[in-house]
Amino acid sequence: AQSVTQPDIHITVSEGASLELRCNYSYGATPYLFWYVQSPGQGLQLLLKYFSGDTLVQGIKGFEAEFKRSQSSFNLRKPSVHWSDAAEYFCAVGPNAGNNRKLSWGLGTSLAVNP
Amino acid sequence: GAVVSQHPSRVICKSGTSVKIECRSLDFQATTMFWYRQFPKQSLMLMATSNEGSKATYEQGVEKDKFLINHASLTLSTLTVTSAHPEDSSFYICSAPRDREPSITYNEQFFGPGTRLTVL
Repeated sequence: AQSVTQPDIHITVSEGASLELRCNYSYGATPYLFWYVQSPGQGLQLLLKYFSGDTLVQGIKGFEAEFKRSQSSFNLRKPSVHWSDAAEYFCAVGPNAGNNRKLSWGLGTSLAVNP
Repeated sequence: GAVVSQHPSRVICKSGTSVKIECRSLDFQATTMFWYRQFPKQSLMLMATSNEGSKATYEQGVEKDKFLINHASLTLSTLTVTSAHPEDSSFYICSAPRDREPSITYNEQFFGPGTRLTVL
């Protein structure tokens, strides 16, 4: 069965500092990988996704993520955090073939940004 | 493109009443839509897969008679919470993958903004 682990429930960083949010997955093959952000009271917004090709993917708002097959990881990074990045971040994985489009979700990482 | 809307965004109802939540794909067709439930400070819990023209597929532990799903067209799915009780209060989110996408983006889902349900 596929699963997603986000080891960090809550992270606090200072504005301007770098950020890395961890995501590990368990899956039988190379899955499709996603990072979503949810601001308070808001819906989910796709930050970036990985399907194939270059393992370093660029997303919106200055975020990037690197797929490391050997570590089954897809960590999200940002070199300099802004106060508006405070939100809940979710990693998700889905099958890369077939008609099953269900996503498996991590429990999320809550990011707080200190001024 | 690829916008999903939900209506209403917020609803407050009395215990025992039924509430209908609509999920629409505004600029694409979606044979499949997903309904999620999210408790405060928690992840998304998949409730069911809504299939146009056929019955919804419910996840284990989700009451089919409590959460009625109808996928009336290729752009509309509805979730009806029947005889709502305070424990049904939650944030309900729908999502839809676009039909006829190239395989490289086959699994990308587009999310609605969510519906906050409060049952008094």
